Amino acid sequence: EAGVTQSPTHLIKTRGQQATLRCSPISGHTSVYWYQQALGLGLQFLLWYDEGEERNRGNFPPRFSGRQFPNYSSELNVNALELEDSALYLCASTPIGDDTDTQYFGPGTRLTVL
Amino acid sequence: AQSVAQPEDQVNVAEGNPLTVKCTYSVSGNPYLFWYVQYPNRGLQFLLKYITGDNLVKGSYGFEAEFNKSQTSFHLKKPSALVSDSALYFCAVWGGGGADGLTFGKGTHLIIQP
Repeated sequence: EAGVTQSPTHLIKTRGQQATLRCSPISGHTSVYWYQQALGLGLQFLLWYDEGEERNRGNFPPRFSGRQFPNYSSELNVNALELEDSALYLCASTPIGDDTDTQYFGPGTRLTVL
Repeated sequence: AQSVAQPEDQVNVAEGNPLTVKCTYSVSGNPYLFWYVQYPNRGLQFLLKYITGDNLVKGSYGFEAEFNKSQTSFHLKKPSALVSDSALYFCAVWGGGGADGLTFGKGTHLIIQP
């Protein structure tokens, strides 16, 4: 069974630009979570999508947004990039009807803002 | 609000010796507790979880964790360390319902010396 996939692996942008990161969950998983892993800040919850809807978001500004498509894949958009947005962005998915909600993570996208 | 503390930034263990990586948590209600491992430039790999039941949880790669409700701890253990166990280990707590995603500790670097 294929795991969670993310693209691109690396992304280099300049300040003020927009970045788009993509995530494909494990087949059969409907929930997708996004996390930011920035140096010195640890892993922080960004967004949660389930069945195409945004269910919750962490303590991040509105320029962090995203969506979930009918096939449950997801996209994270970061507008007006700032230097401190440089981080590893991790996507995770959870299975249908699994009350224990183990999150399975992808390899991440390394975003560098210059 | 839920929180996780990993009091040690780094743990050094000789190969073949037992290892312990410490984690304490705070959550209202029943906790769902997880351990993940991250190798350099990789995403997080699920190791084990505690939902309910037996306080000793067995996971992947010979790891286990002991849930202690009175001490609000969930320490990760392995009877005999391998050099390949060297990595960054994260403890995480989930309060249920998928509301806020996982809350992670800051991580502990585990270094196994040959």
